[in-house]
Amino acid sequence: SQTIHQWPATLVQPVGSPLSLECTVEGTSNPNLYWYRQAAGRGLQLLFYSVGIGQISSEVPQNLSASRPQDRQFILSSKKLLLSDSGFYLCAAGGNQPQHFGDGTRLSIL
Amino acid sequence: AQTVTQSQPEMSVQEAETVTLSCTYDTSENNYYLFWYKQPPSRQMILVIRQEAYKQQNATENRFSVNFQKAAKSFSLKISDSQLGDTAMYFCAFMKRPGGGNEKLTFGTGTRLTIIP
Repeated sequence: SQTIHQWPATLVQPVGSPLSLECTVEGTSNPNLYWYRQAAGRGLQLLFYSVGIGQISSEVPQNLSASRPQDRQFILSSKKLLLSDSGFYLCAAGGNQPQHFGDGTRLSIL
Repeated sequence: AQTVTQSQPEMSVQEAETVTLSCTYDTSENNYYLFWYKQPPSRQMILVIRQEAYKQQNATENRFSVNFQKAAKSFSLKISDSQLGDTAMYFCAFMKRPGGGNEKLTFGTGTRLTIIP
């Protein structure tokens, strides 16, 4: 079965600092990968998805970027964090429904 | 574009009782999937149940069942014999039938369910 690893679990960063969140997937090959953000008390918003290595699609304009250097690795990055980047970030893997999620990263911006 | 609406921000029910969470959606698609996800305080997103739109039979998973009304675009979740561990945020989600490699989920805003001992 699929296992999705995300780290770190929590992160506190100052405004203007860079960001790198990592997601890796076990138990499947060539998955579709997704990054979602959940603001406090809200639903999930899709940020990026990837159907293969080096293939990234962005759903909403933002301060973040994503990369997929390997088949089962998905990275969320920023060069300079904004206060509005605070939230709970979830990585998901699919390709054959339904999507399964990692445990998430809680990002706080000071 | 698809939208998913959950009109009950919060609900509470006594342990062992039955509770129904509402979800409506809007789409022009004919083939799609619907899901209920549970997010406990640990924040992990856990799949509860799924329904394929072309199936008329309502999905059931142990104490969880759905009432899928395709014409009305309604997809409610019924939890029977509720347990304390059912306390969580519940999200309804929509996905177009897979094809082309992108199976995006569209989520509702969630219902916070509290089971009272």
